[in-house]
Amino acid sequence: NAGVMQNPRHLVRRRGQEARLRCSPMKGHSHVYWYRQLPEEGLKFMVYLQKENIIDESGMPKERFSAEFPKEGPSILRIQQVVRGDSAAYFCASSLGQSYSNQPQHFGDGTRLSIL
Amino acid sequence: SQQGEEDPQALSIQEGENATMNCSYKTSINNLQWYRQNSGRGLVHLILIRSNEREKHSGRLRVTLDTSKKSSSLLITASRAADTASYFCATAVSYGNNRLAFGKGNQVVVIP
Repeated sequence: NAGVMQNPRHLVRRRGQEARLRCSPMKGHSHVYWYRQLPEEGLKFMVYLQKENIIDESGMPKERFSAEFPKEGPSILRIQQVVRGDSAAYFCASSLGQSYSNQPQHFGDGTRLSIL
Repeated sequence: SQQGEEDPQALSIQEGENATMNCSYKTSINNLQWYRQNSGRGLVHLILIRSNEREKHSGRLRVTLDTSKKSSSLLITASRAADTASYFCATAVSYGNNRLAFGKGNQVVVIP
């Protein structure tokens, strides 16, 4: 029973390029969350998705960032025209239900994005 | 303590000792969760305590929750070198918000 799978584990991009981060949730999980972690800090919520729907994107920057969770395939976090400040670890989590229904979130090992 | 404006805490203990770390939060919550993160890895869910619970145990872990003080503590008994990690608390707020709000974490080093 595979856990949450994220790829790539490490991604290096030059300023102005696009970064695509992928996340496959645990089997049977239909709720996906993306978080960003800066060094020595906790995780900051970015976006919450269910299949084909963005439920809450209040933590996502208004420009350059987008996320999707298509009917088939993994969830994608896309960052266009990356800047140095985008360098961080990006974590995906999935859950069977919603957090307030007392379902824990299960995390992947993250994608470490470095911008040159 | 985590959250608010506090700096992350670092704790260094000998193997076999107990480790206690604290977490505070600001809003009403539905539940509070503790996670562990080893260096370079994702977060591993440890334990969830609901807002109507005061104490919960899981193996060597003991979590308390005081909603009147908006605080929680995590106790790891008989620590092992493998417990070396960062520990984060996260709160799930009430209806309508599915995000987890994380603290800055407590770094625990267990010396063999």
